[in-house]
Amino acid sequence: EVQLQESGPGLVKPSQSLSLTCSVTGYSITSNYWGWIRKFPGNKMEWMGYISYSGSTSYNPSLKSRISITRDTSKNQFFLQLNSVTTEDTATYYCARYRVIRAFDYWGQGVMVTVSS
Amino acid sequence: DVVLTQTPSTLSATIGQSVSISCRSSQSLLDSAGNTYLYWYLQRPGQSPQLLIYLVSNLGSGVPNRFSGSGSGTDFTLKISGVEAEDLGVYYCMQATHAPNTFGAGTKLELK
Repeated sequence: EVQLQESGPGLVKPSQSLSLTCSVTGYSITSNYWGWIRKFPGNKMEWMGYISYSGSTSYNPSLKSRISITRDTSKNQFFLQLNSVTTEDTATYYCARYRVIRAFDYWGQGVMVTVSS
Repeated sequence: DVVLTQTPSTLSATIGQSVSISCRSSQSLLDSAGNTYLYWYLQRPGQSPQLLIYLVSNLGSGVPNRFSGSGSGTDFTLKISGVEAEDLGVYYCMQATHAPNTFGAGTKLELK
């Protein structure tokens, strides 16, 4: 069974970088696409971006200057880095598998990240 | 970006009642190849989102057939034929026809 698990600090200071890891078991990240989605307080959801089976990436233009998604295929992990965070980046961050039919079909449990000094 | 407007924002239902959620798009979600990339997700309290419906009307893996999706162009509907207690939570529509993918604001289904 495909399982995803996010990990990373729950508290980040403003202007610093947010770094999260998604560890995948039961499926190789060298197949399909792997994405990050976040849910803000109040329920708003935002698609952040994805990394493909080949390592190419696609990002939400609203984040393009601050976001980077990378991977380590040897560990079957992919990563999110979001630079210059503000309190507006406080959210629960999810990683998920993104199929060619463009559906997120397996999700991690999510990690809550608070940006605060 | 494409704006998805979900109505209602909150839905109160009794067990066994049939309900519908609307998702209207600011642009047609039909692409030039004839595909419509519209999805429905359910987020139960304390859980991550679950894929219910993909490509407008196809049931996700393990999803009960009391859920159904329909629609075309800019107007889409999720119907639950006989609400069960496990259906409570927040429902989201999502489009992936036009980059970037966008989500509706969510519809909270609660027990009356």
